[in-house]
Amino acid sequence: GNSVTQMEGPVTLSEEAFLTINCTYTATGYPSLFWYVQYPGEGLQLLLKATKADDKGSNKGFEATYRKETTSFHLEKGSVQVSDSAVYFCALSDDGGTSYGKLTFGQGTILTVHP
Amino acid sequence: NAGVTQTPKFQVLKTGQSMTLQCAQDMNHNSMYWYRQDPGMGLRLIYYSASEGTTDKGEVPNGYNVSRLNKREFSLRLESAAPSQTSVYFCASSEAHLYSNQPQHFGDGTRLSIL
Repeated sequence: GNSVTQMEGPVTLSEEAFLTINCTYTATGYPSLFWYVQYPGEGLQLLLKATKADDKGSNKGFEATYRKETTSFHLEKGSVQVSDSAVYFCALSDDGGTSYGKLTFGQGTILTVHP
Repeated sequence: NAGVTQTPKFQVLKTGQSMTLQCAQDMNHNSMYWYRQDPGMGLRLIYYSASEGTTDKGEVPNGYNVSRLNKREFSLRLESAAPSQTSVYFCASSEAHLYSNQPQHFGDGTRLSIL
């Protein structure tokens, strides 16, 4: 079956530091890949997505590239802010007409950014 | 601009009690989902509904039932609550009826404690 593995957290950084959160996946076929963010007390929000190999998703200064050869989708940001403190989830969705967009999630990575 | 609305936000039950969690979306999405979120485990799919009138099991369906009342509403029922069902429950919806690359939109969650 499908699976997503994220780097262990929590991650603690100072403001303006560089962020990388690693994500690797196992899937058959050609899944779509997503990063979701969850702020305290809220539901998940889509941060970015990539639907095919070598696609780069980007939003709010965050980027991730769909690497089929390494089955990875690492999240990066050049300069984090305190407001980026949240839980980040990597997820994949099966391709194909019977998947109905079902998502498989990684375990989540807690990011805390200090001033 | 409500999106996905879940009720209640918090609930405490005693073991053996029953409860229905409500979810409604106003985006005219075909597909709806129920997840549970537990520490260190990400989100796991309980049930999903690809379209009005259909439901199907996800990864962890035991102890739960669902009803897709109409296109807008998708409820989750615990018939006899157990402490292992203490969790945060999220409802989501998407346009991913046939195409897996459409993102899901999440509600703010229901925090459920079972004593």
